[in-house]
Amino acid sequence: GAGVSQSPSNKVTEKGKDVELRCDPISGHTALYWYRQRLGQGLEFLIYFQGNSAPDKSGLPSDRFSAERTGESVSTLTIQRTQQEDSAVYLCASSLGGLSPYEQYFGPGTRLTVT
Amino acid sequence: RKEVEQDPGPFNVPEGATVAFNCTYSNSASQSFFWYRQDCRKEPKLLMSVYSSGNEDGRFTAQLNRASQYISLLIRDSKLSDSATYLCVVNTNAGKSTFGDGTTLTVKP
Repeated sequence: GAGVSQSPSNKVTEKGKDVELRCDPISGHTALYWYRQRLGQGLEFLIYFQGNSAPDKSGLPSDRFSAERTGESVSTLTIQRTQQEDSAVYLCASSLGGLSPYEQYFGPGTRLTVT
Repeated sequence: RKEVEQDPGPFNVPEGATVAFNCTYSNSASQSFFWYRQDCRKEPKLLMSVYSSGNEDGRFTAQLNRASQYISLLIRDSKLSDSATYLCVVNTNAGKSTFGDGTTLTVKP
């Protein structure tokens, strides 16, 4: 079946512009995660959605970052007024449920370059 | 101090070697534990879950020590295809996942 998809796969933007990244999770997965991975570094947790519960936004680095999820489907991560330090791969993952030790399935990521 | 810390690496080993990675976590309320594998410029993929009693999957053995708050991964008879970055992952009971920075393994002929 279809895995997690993300779009765009690559995005080059000028400093100061807003960008919107999209994630389509696996159908039926109630949990959705966003991570950021800078070159040569580990995954940095950004935000976590579980069903209809309030999202865990504790990893968002600044108020320029926000994310939404429509029900248990598509999620968008928005970065306003992009800065060069926002350049990274943004990974989305989904799983069956956040309260159980289910495997996270990752999308291929969006590579963001801020010039 | 990071919530999840891994051996800094890199590990460079010959084919056939046995190699072990350790990972420590700081949140004693952590509930579930995993090892993921990430190939260069690819997304992470689950390697194995880590159970309290320890578990084995072929050449891979994972162990958990709750008292000392560490997790280990042992790879026996290393193959060239094992070359990758290995990520330790810890979940709280609220579902949030924390990834370690990873340990890079290179297996050489």
